[in-house]
Amino acid sequence: DADVTQTPRNRITKTGKRIMLECSQTKGHDRMYWYRQDPGLGLQLIYYSFDVKDINKGEISDGYSVSRQAQAKFSLSLESAIPNQTALYFCATSDSTLTGGNEQFFGPGTRLTVL
Amino acid sequence: DQQVKQNSPSLSVQEGRISILNCDYTNSMFDYFLWYKKYPAEGPTFLISISSIKDKNEDGRFTVFLNKSAKHLSLHIVPSQPGDSAVYFCAAGEGGGSQGNLIFGKGTKLSVKP
Repeated sequence: DADVTQTPRNRITKTGKRIMLECSQTKGHDRMYWYRQDPGLGLQLIYYSFDVKDINKGEISDGYSVSRQAQAKFSLSLESAIPNQTALYFCATSDSTLTGGNEQFFGPGTRLTVL
Repeated sequence: DQQVKQNSPSLSVQEGRISILNCDYTNSMFDYFLWYKKYPAEGPTFLISISSIKDKNEDGRFTVFLNKSAKHLSLHIVPSQPGDSAVYFCAAGEGGGSQGNLIFGKGTKLSVKP
């Protein structure tokens, strides 16, 4: 079973629609992240959460919101989707108690298309 | 303004030879560096990391070298195998990685030809 799961895996929606992407993890990690990847670009951080009550904006948070419903769940919302939000979205987790550095574990991604 | 740069979008190598992927960074506060590998339709997977207190870290066929004065790191894969064909991302963080956030480069697509 996958440790970090994302639903849906693919989604096509229309401009102006509200959409939610969900992420769940069974790794017991306290930190969770949302990234987007555009073709030819690296991963850009949208939001991150170091625990249930700690939510922080990343590099490109405009047009997005998040909710950390539980330690294991972190959802990303697009309140009113626009075509330039068409991208591949990744959720990731990490464990702050690990020494040596912040290795992040990624989910399989959600491909979102906004028409 | 990119803080982590991978200037080669692609690299093609013959099976059995060495693959060298390069990464440059601009933020002198970065002290922890990671390489991730990504296959199509999958999320990135962690490959190897290095702390700024070291200049080399080795794990099997994979070695990462860090040159702090040049703000440059490289990933060496020896010998390269067709299964290594993937996109490789360089990432950097501060605080020994404890601060959590990573800045990623744009990736280099490695093709290993049989």
